[in-house]
Amino acid sequence: KAGVTQTPRYLIKTRGQQVTLSCSPISGHRSVSWYQQTPGQGLQFLFEYFSETQRNKGNFPGRFSGRQFSNSRSEMNVSTLELGDSALYLCASSLGRLDTQYFGPGTRLTVL
Amino acid sequence: DQQVKQNSPSLSVQEGRISILNCDYTNSMFDYFLWYKKYPAEGPTFLISISSIKDKNEDGRFTVFLNKSAKHLSLHIVPSQPGDSAVYFCAASHEKLTFGKGTLLTVNP
Repeated sequence: KAGVTQTPRYLIKTRGQQVTLSCSPISGHRSVSWYQQTPGQGLQFLFEYFSETQRNKGNFPGRFSGRQFSNSRSEMNVSTLELGDSALYLCASSLGRLDTQYFGPGTRLTVL
Repeated sequence: DQQVKQNSPSLSVQEGRISILNCDYTNSMFDYFLWYKKYPAEGPTFLISISSIKDKNEDGRFTVFLNKSAKHLSLHIVPSQPGDSAVYFCAASHEKLTFGKGTLLTVNP
């Protein structure tokens, strides 16, 4: 069974731009969560989607948003990029909301 | 407010010996705990988990111990191998996963 895939793997943007990251969960998994990893803060929860609905949200500004499609694929969007948004963005999928999460390889976003 | 803490940023052990990674938590609502291992430029890989109704779970060389009264869990790796060198994250679950900041384990040949 294929794992979680994330595209693109690397991205370079400039301040003020916006970016969309994509995540394809493991086949059959209906829950997708997003995390931001930075050296100082570790992995921080962004949001969780289940059945196309946002079920939970972390403590991030409204510039960070996401959505989930009917095939469980998910996208996250960051608008008006800031230098501090440079991070590894990780997507994780699970069968159901309370099941073990399996992570993708991440998208490395660099904001210049 | 850091609800999951891994107080040792790094740990170095000899090949063949035991590695013990520790994690403390503050939220008594956490009911499921997990350990993930992460290599550079890769996503975290699930290692082992434990429900709050248990105090020990074992999977091959990996054992997780949970002490609910102390709000403490630990991951034991026996015997340690050089390929175990990675960052280990402890995570706790209640509605969402909360991660510690990780411990870099180095296993020396």
